Amino acid sequence: DVKVTQSSRYLVKRTGEKVFLECVQDMDHENMFWYRQDPGLGLRLIYFSYDVKMKEKGDIPEGYSVSREKKERFSLILESASTNQTSMYLCASSLGQGNEKLFFGSGTQLSVL
Amino acid sequence: EDQVTQSPEALRLQEGESSSLNCSYTVSGLRGLFWYRQDPGKGPEFLFTLYSAGEEKEKERLKATLTKKESFLHITAPKPEDSATYLCAVRWGSGTYKYIFGTGTRLKVLA
Repeated sequence: DVKVTQSSRYLVKRTGEKVFLECVQDMDHENMFWYRQDPGLGLRLIYFSYDVKMKEKGDIPEGYSVSREKKERFSLILESASTNQTSMYLCASSLGQGNEKLFFGSGTQLSVL
Repeated sequence: EDQVTQSPEALRLQEGESSSLNCSYTVSGLRGLFWYRQDPGKGPEFLFTLYSAGEEKEKERLKATLTKKESFLHITAPKPEDSATYLCAVRWGSGTYKYIFGTGTRLKVLA
């Protein structure tokens, strides 16, 4: 089975801190995604990557950046955390090449105080 | 505007009481409709992909169907372990890796 591992299950940070969320997948998937999930709003795409060092903005990229230096690892960076970035962050990957079902990690619940 | 709407928001069923969840979409050039199950505190888990109107997929007590405007997730004789949030997502257009997710239906099956 595909495994998508997110480095932290819970994180508490202060306003203005730089925050790194890490995601690793073990099945050589081409595509990786970062979503945030908020009650009543569903999953919203922040950034995605379709290849190493390649990235594209999703629907809500403001305040975030990403890094994909290796195929298996996709990092989400909050440059200066704000309280409105308190959310559940979900990483996902897909094989690509026509197989587009998403495999999700367990999520990181981030609280910014 | 491209969007995905799920209904109802929440559903309570008695064990064995069959029902259906709805996912309606307004996108052009559908390239796949996906159903996921999400348990509390976990990431969504893939259930089905449907690509064209008339297509059906089944897994245990779940059956997903697709028309040109909506999809249904039918749950037959549900058990308490089927309690979860069910998410629908659509992928559309060409040359894009974007999906639109619905906000989900929270299902509670009572013993």
